[in-house]
Amino acid sequence: EAGVAQSPRYKIIEKRQSVAFWCNPISGHATLYWYQQILGQGPKLLIQFQNNGVVDDSQLPKDRFSAERLKGVDSTLKIQPAKLEDSAVYLCASSLEVAGGFYSYEQYFGPGTRLTVT
Amino acid sequence: AQSVTQPDIHITVSEGASLELRCNYSYGATPYLFWYVQSPGQGLQLLLKYFSGDTLVQGIKGFEAEFKRSQSSFNLRKPSVHWSDAAEYFCVIQTGANNLFFGTGTRLTVIP
Repeated sequence: EAGVAQSPRYKIIEKRQSVAFWCNPISGHATLYWYQQILGQGPKLLIQFQNNGVVDDSQLPKDRFSAERLKGVDSTLKIQPAKLEDSAVYLCASSLEVAGGFYSYEQYFGPGTRLTVT
Repeated sequence: AQSVTQPDIHITVSEGASLELRCNYSYGATPYLFWYVQSPGQGLQLLLKYFSGDTLVQGIKGFEAEFKRSQSSFNLRKPSVHWSDAAEYFCVIQTGANNLFFGTGTRLTVIP
């Protein structure tokens, strides 16, 4: 079974430029997550999709970050314009689904995209 | 609000020695707790999880963790560490609809 795919693996941009990351989840996984992991910290959830709908984007800085999952499969995360503090690893994860009520489905993580903003 | 505290930023152990990584949490309800491992160049991998029932849970790679409600702790243990265990370890709490809240991590170095 193929895992979560992400591209690019590394990206260096200057501040105020824009950048986009791509994620392909595990086949059949309805739920997709984007996390930001700043050096020395644990990952922080940015946005969660269930199929092509947003479940939680409360931690997404919407003035500069956007994400979409138009067909309920692949997803893109965009930053425009980038700031120095956006330097981080951006992780994509997927899980089977989000059940009704309080349950847990294992999240499978991709290798991440390391973004450096200069 | 939830929080996860991993008081040890960096731990160094000798290969073959025992290991315990500490984790304390704060959450207003019965938590779902996890330990994830992140190796250089690899993605995050689930080691083990606690939902309910037996408070001592077994995971992959010989790891185990014990849930202690009275101490709000979920410490990770391994009786004999291997060089390949060198990695970053995250204690994680689940909140809401499958949302994971990560601690700041403990970096494990294994020396020969």
